[in-house]
Amino acid sequence: QQQVKQSPQSLIVQKGGISIINCAYENTAFDYFPWYQQFPGKGPALLIAIRPDVSEKKEGRFTISFNKSAKQFSLHIMDSQPGDSATYFCALKKIIKAAGNKLTFGGGTRVLVKP
Amino acid sequence: EPEVTQTPSHQVTQMGQEVILRCVPISNHLYFYWYRQILGQKVEFLVSFYNNEISEKSEIFDDQFSVERPDGSNFTLKIRSTKLEDSAMYFCASSQGISPSKGYTFGSGTRLTVV
Repeated sequence: QQQVKQSPQSLIVQKGGISIINCAYENTAFDYFPWYQQFPGKGPALLIAIRPDVSEKKEGRFTISFNKSAKQFSLHIMDSQPGDSATYFCALKKIIKAAGNKLTFGGGTRVLVKP
Repeated sequence: EPEVTQTPSHQVTQMGQEVILRCVPISNHLYFYWYRQILGQKVEFLVSFYNNEISEKSEIFDDQFSVERPDGSNFTLKIRSTKLEDSAMYFCASSQGISPSKGYTFGSGTRLTVV
């Protein structure tokens, strides 16, 4: 059961360009929509996240756009830099009552920023 | 910045053997998790642990898996009888709270290779 579909699988962008990654999810029972960045040999690291009652959130060069009715959210990386080359995962975050949070990850997008 | 520490970084084991993957979560975190990532695939939730008990587990987390917090600082994942398909990167994570804005901190992972 694939709850979140992420596209594209890979992306090549020139330095200074815009990287856009999209995710679509299937049900609405989630509390938060984070994006994680993963470098080779490292664990995922929280990049930016958005609540379902907000349509856009910007932090530096990273912006999440959220369309609740369409059940879609996207990550925009402005002015992409070679250091942004990594794998990006969207995720759905669900609170497990009072016992923690559970993340459901998308399939990941490998981004390569060419100098 | 506080880190989640995982050991070993790489473990090779024979099929049918037991392995224990170790994690030291961030000291003031209360919620602990294990995820796995099969090579080239998405990160998958295995189990969450709070107040010395499992709070949720996925269908992947069957009877061959167990978790323990033996001494108040370590958090371990045991796989009793490893199978070839258990080969993956295993990530430990911890979080301070369950608020949706509280991010996980992931460790760098243990690469398990079952031969």
